[in-house]
Amino acid sequence: AAGVIQSPRHLIKEKRETATLKCYPIPRHDTVYWYQQGPGQDPQFLISFYEKMQSDKGSIPDRFSAQQFSDYHSELNMSSLELGDSALYFCASSPKFSEQFFGPGTRLTVL
Amino acid sequence: DAKTTQPTSMDCAEGRAANLPCNHSTISGNEYVYWYRQIHSQGPQYIIHGLKNNETNEMASLIITEDRKSSTLILPHATLRDTAVYYCIVRASSDTGANSKLTFGKGITLSVRP
Repeated sequence: AAGVIQSPRHLIKEKRETATLKCYPIPRHDTVYWYQQGPGQDPQFLISFYEKMQSDKGSIPDRFSAQQFSDYHSELNMSSLELGDSALYFCASSPKFSEQFFGPGTRLTVL
Repeated sequence: DAKTTQPTSMDCAEGRAANLPCNHSTISGNEYVYWYRQIHSQGPQYIIHGLKNNETNEMASLIITEDRKSSTLILPHATLRDTAVYYCIVRASSDTGANSKLTFGKGITLSVRP
């Protein structure tokens, strides 16, 4: 069965640089969620989209933005990267707010 | 979302049933109980969810008490591959997306021993 695809799987950036993470949901899933998991922490919700509109927002820094495109894929844009942004970033998709299926994650390292 | 309380860790022998408890004493009438697990650094994996009736699927069974203040996830025949952090999450049903996010607590670390 098709799963959620995230790219890249690993990303290394310098402080103050920008990064773009991509998420391709399971076909026919119209809702996308982004979560951040710092080292030794539990996943924390960042933001979600339903039918290309933002549906909920969590503790996402103002330096981060995201959107969902017409083909339902989503991108998380991160600017002015800080050391504390080093984390695993998970994308999950669901058919309209039901159970969420997670991708393998993108490991971001900020040096 | 209502808060959940889980033990920090537990272990069980391979081939035996693993019973993972969860307390959610402040759960509201429209809130479901969800279980996810995370194997080291992989994406969380959906296991099962329920409202008030017991549920079973190919992975596990979910037993919810009649007052809905607690539940138990049962892995009937644990294997080494079931070693993971298991999260019990309470989440309201939503038609608008608001509050459809998952709020992860600390979870319980299950260690399956040979």
